[in-house]
Amino acid sequence: QQQVKQSPQSLIVQKGGISIINCAYENTAFDYFPWYQQFPGKGPALLIAIRPDVSEKKEGRFTISFNKSAKQFSLHIMDSQPGDSATYFCAARENFGNEKLTFGTGTRLTIIP
Amino acid sequence: DTAVSQTPKYLVTQMGNDKSIKCEQNLGHDTMYWYKQDSKKFLKIMFSYNNKELIINETVPNRFSPKSPDKAHLNLHINSLELGDSAVYFCASSQRTYEQYFGPGTRLTVT
Repeated sequence: QQQVKQSPQSLIVQKGGISIINCAYENTAFDYFPWYQQFPGKGPALLIAIRPDVSEKKEGRFTISFNKSAKQFSLHIMDSQPGDSATYFCAARENFGNEKLTFGTGTRLTIIP
Repeated sequence: DTAVSQTPKYLVTQMGNDKSIKCEQNLGHDTMYWYKQDSKKFLKIMFSYNNKELIINETVPNRFSPKSPDKAHLNLHINSLELGDSAVYFCASSQRTYEQYFGPGTRLTVT
């Protein structure tokens, strides 16, 4: 049972375009939603995160949109660059204090010139 | 000044062998994790320790045994390795600020 569903599995976007990755969850106990970026041969690194009390968070070219009622959140990458080519994971954390993150299945993003 | 380090980076071994992966963090964090990333890139938590105490133990075969000698180290020992254990294993740490810092990974190949 996949608690955090992520789509698409892969995404190709032209340089300068907008990349959009979507995630959905069922567990209402989730209270923290980070996005991680992973380059080949490296460990995942935190990109941006949001709490459910806000609907949007922006950091540079990266924006998380959060829809609590629909239990969905998405990552938008504006002005996508070849250096953004990586695998992106959404995740969710339960508010039980054990800091367990449940990850989505990942999206391989390729930015073409 | 590596934050989370793992050794070895690559590990190739035969079925049935026993192997260990070591992890160290110099961030002063009190919580450490082991994750398994399979060939489809799916990341799944295996274990979590807080101040040397096991707090998360997912459904993992008991051939896998974590050991935390102190809060800066979390090692993973695997007995009787199987082909299905081939994966990339990531160590991570956090300090209850939600952000988890991942190590570079150990690619385990069982032949």
